Amino acid sequence: AQRVTQPEKLLSVFKGAPVELKCNYSYSGSPELFWYVQYSRQRLQLLLRHISRESIKGFTADLNKGETSFHLKKPFAQEEDSAMYYCAPTGGGNKLTFGTGTQLKVEL
Amino acid sequence: GAVVSQHPSRVICKSGTSVKIECRSLDFQATTMFWYRQFPKQSLMLMATSNEGSKATYEQGVEKDKFLINHASLTLSTLTVTSAHPEDSSFYICSAIGSAIPYEQYFGPGTRLTVT
Repeated sequence: AQRVTQPEKLLSVFKGAPVELKCNYSYSGSPELFWYVQYSRQRLQLLLRHISRESIKGFTADLNKGETSFHLKKPFAQEEDSAMYYCAPTGGGNKLTFGTGTQLKVEL
Repeated sequence: GAVVSQHPSRVICKSGTSVKIECRSLDFQATTMFWYRQFPKQSLMLMATSNEGSKATYEQGVEKDKFLINHASLTLSTLTVTSAHPEDSSFYICSAIGSAIPYEQYFGPGTRLTVT
């Protein structure tokens, strides 16, 4: 069965501190992995995609196939990073399976 | 950018009635639309995949006679909750994929359904 685990419901860090949002997946085949973000009172939007290997808003995510992990990282958290983050692999047909989400709170 | 709208944003209906939720892609043609359900403080659960001009594909455990999906055009999909009951109260979110960037889902703002 396809499964996504985000172990932390809430992650609280101080501004300027490093951030790591954990994601582990159990998926058949070779899924494509995404991170989606939902800022307060806004709709869900794509943050980044593992194939792109890009850095968006300072965030990066490395796919570790051995550990089946796709953790989201940022070296220095900013206040505007406070949001709900969802890890989401996709299999065939572009169907996303969302993790339970991690609420990131960046404190001053 | 690609924008997806939903209407209504909130709806309250009485138990036993049906309610229709619209999902529109405003500035692109959506080859595929998805319907999700989100319970309070929980993740999004995919209900069904909707392709224009064909029958929706429902996820396991989702009653297709209960949640009717119609994708009549490349910019509109509708979800009708038939004979609604209080347990159908939830936040319903749609997303759409265009042909230009086939992997990226653009999400609507969601519809809060309350069944009394």
